Amino acid sequence: EAGVAQSPRYKIIEKRQSVAFWCNPISGHATLYWYQQILGQGPKLLIQFQNNGVVDDSQLPKDRFSAERLKGVDSTLKIQPAKLEDSAVYLCASSLDGATGYGYTFGSGTRLTVV
Amino acid sequence: GQQVMQIPQYQHVQEGEDFTTYCNSSTTLSNIQWYKQRPGGHPVFLIQLVKSGEVKKQKRLTFQFGEAKKNSSLHITATQTTDVGTYFCAGRETGNQFYFGTGTSLTVIP
Repeated sequence: EAGVAQSPRYKIIEKRQSVAFWCNPISGHATLYWYQQILGQGPKLLIQFQNNGVVDDSQLPKDRFSAERLKGVDSTLKIQPAKLEDSAVYLCASSLDGATGYGYTFGSGTRLTVV
Repeated sequence: GQQVMQIPQYQHVQEGEDFTTYCNSSTTLSNIQWYKQRPGGHPVFLIQLVKSGEVKKQKRLTFQFGEAKKNSSLHITATQTTDVGTYFCAGRETGNQFYFGTGTSLTVIP
């Protein structure tokens, strides 16, 4: 089966600019996650969708980050305006059903550098 | 909030030696997952443990869930250079979210 697709792979922007990341999960996976992984740390959940509804966005910095999952398939994550501390790899993951604890399938991630 | 800590943070072993990483949670977990992340790569799901005291094996990898469901371990027998990477545990309480541990970075010296 096709994996989780993410784009772009790399992005370099200046602070205060905006950026958007795109994710296409595995077909049929109801649950989609966006994680932020800072170098040397474990992934930190930003937002979790079940179909096109938000399940958990408690760790999403809502003053600058936003995410949507239209039609319960693709998702975009936006940062506006970006800060230096947003430099990280942004990972998208999907699973069949988040409630039952299936393993997550991660995409290759987008490496964001804010200068 | 839930915290998942892993030790050690780094481990260097000679090829052929064994390796163990430990995962400890501040709260009781409903289940725990293990992931492997190769350098420059993304986390790849290895296994999920659900039952108290559960032990699962995948070839040279042995995963264990503690009796109290607050700790877990991953043991690799006779490491190979292909085992290089960072191993993460991810624990879940009763909600949907898995909290990832701090990870253990394994280096295998040929």
